[in-house]
Amino acid sequence: ETGVTQTPRHLVMGMTNKKSLKCEQHLGHNAMYWYKQSAKKPLELMFVYNFKEQTENNSVPSRFSPECPNSSHLFLHLHTLQPEDSALYLCASSQVGNKRRANTEAFFGQGTRLTVV
Amino acid sequence: DAKTTQPPSMDCAEGRAANLPCNHSTISGNEYVYWYRQIHSQGPQYIIHGLKNNETNEMASLIITEDRKSSTLILPHATLRDTAVYYCIVRVEGDYKLSFGAGTTVTVRA
Repeated sequence: ETGVTQTPRHLVMGMTNKKSLKCEQHLGHNAMYWYKQSAKKPLELMFVYNFKEQTENNSVPSRFSPECPNSSHLFLHLHTLQPEDSALYLCASSQVGNKRRANTEAFFGQGTRLTVV
Repeated sequence: DAKTTQPPSMDCAEGRAANLPCNHSTISGNEYVYWYRQIHSQGPQYIIHGLKNNETNEMASLIITEDRKSSTLILPHATLRDTAVYYCIVRVEGDYKLSFGAGTTVTVRA
């Protein structure tokens, strides 16, 4: 148990479906992340949120739409995905340092294994 | 623009120490060295981090060279459960971005 919970753990969806991945962190962190990991490839950083504001969007297609309603929750809304989007989607959180608090390490959820058919 | 270089794979024997190298020759003075590992199909797990001094915790030791251009992660007594991909990352304190490279695939053999 890392303090970062992702649901669902597994998801199969058709190319015309709309679904959402959910991530929740109970660690009081100020940053949350979405990563994609395709088979036998390194983790790709997709989005970074700092205090609910998106600070990074690594040229991710618009069929992936993140939402961060508060500092504890992060969603990834999916629509009209392609089979090549099948991957493990990982959420993480961390406390990024400032003058008052130092960096902490990132904590990852167990991921959602997404299959697009 | 890779900030770290790691060997793609290495084997080690169960019960022996595993020494994982990482080169970060362009590291800046305010960049920390972090190590994570990812066991198959799970989320990455933090191991250890340091700035310039050697560090040790219950999982591993981190040795950083004096010029900070390279580091070594040491797993003192490798077990089969240490088989994983190990990532070395450099990161500025206060930088939100956390990017992973290809890492080193470590296989511990009985």
